[in-house]
Amino acid sequence: AQSVTQPDIHITVSEGASLELRCNYSYGATPYLFWYVQSPGQGLQLLLKYFSGDTLVQGIKGFEAEFKRSQSSFNLRKPSVHWSDAAEYFCAVGFTHGSSNTGKLIFGQGTTLQVKP
Amino acid sequence: ETGVTQSPTHLIKTRGQQVTLRCSSQSGHNTVSWYQQALGQGPQFIFQYYREEENGRGNFPPRFSGLQFPNYSSELNVNALELDDSALYLCASSFWGLASSYEQYFGPGTRLTVT
Repeated sequence: AQSVTQPDIHITVSEGASLELRCNYSYGATPYLFWYVQSPGQGLQLLLKYFSGDTLVQGIKGFEAEFKRSQSSFNLRKPSVHWSDAAEYFCAVGFTHGSSNTGKLIFGQGTTLQVKP
Repeated sequence: ETGVTQSPTHLIKTRGQQVTLRCSSQSGHNTVSWYQQALGQGPQFIFQYYREEENGRGNFPPRFSGLQFPNYSSELNVNALELDDSALYLCASSFWGLASSYEQYFGPGTRLTVT
């Protein structure tokens, strides 16, 4: 069955430090890959996406992510974290079935990012 | 550009009642998806609507149903509410296509509490 794993439930980094959030998926082919951010009590904001092509993708708010096919991973990175980055981060994966799509995104459990001053 | 909007923001219902949640899609989008997010969990896909028909469905019972209207807005209806239905319900819109259907933009959600 298709699945998405975010191994880190909670991460704490100091402001100005670099950040990497991990995401692994289980699927036979290359899926569509996304990272979302959610502030408390809010909806999800799309940070970046990967469909095909260059495996390093740039997103909003200074985030980037790298798709590694051999590791079935799509890790999110930021060189220097700001206090306003504290939030919940979700990796999401879309799987197609042949030429059809269901629009179904499968989300990981999320990683809570805490930023220390 | 108008984003995804949802109403109401919060709702409290009693077990066994029925509820209707509403969503207006982002301008330029023609596809709507609904997700349920329980506390501390990632969102779970309920279903997606395109051309007023259900395109895909997650592992939710039939008492979860939906509608899409000609203006691409949508409703989520839940009958016979159970305590476990308490969650944040998220609506997302996208533009129909093999890949683009998955590039979904979310609304702020409706917080449903069932007592």
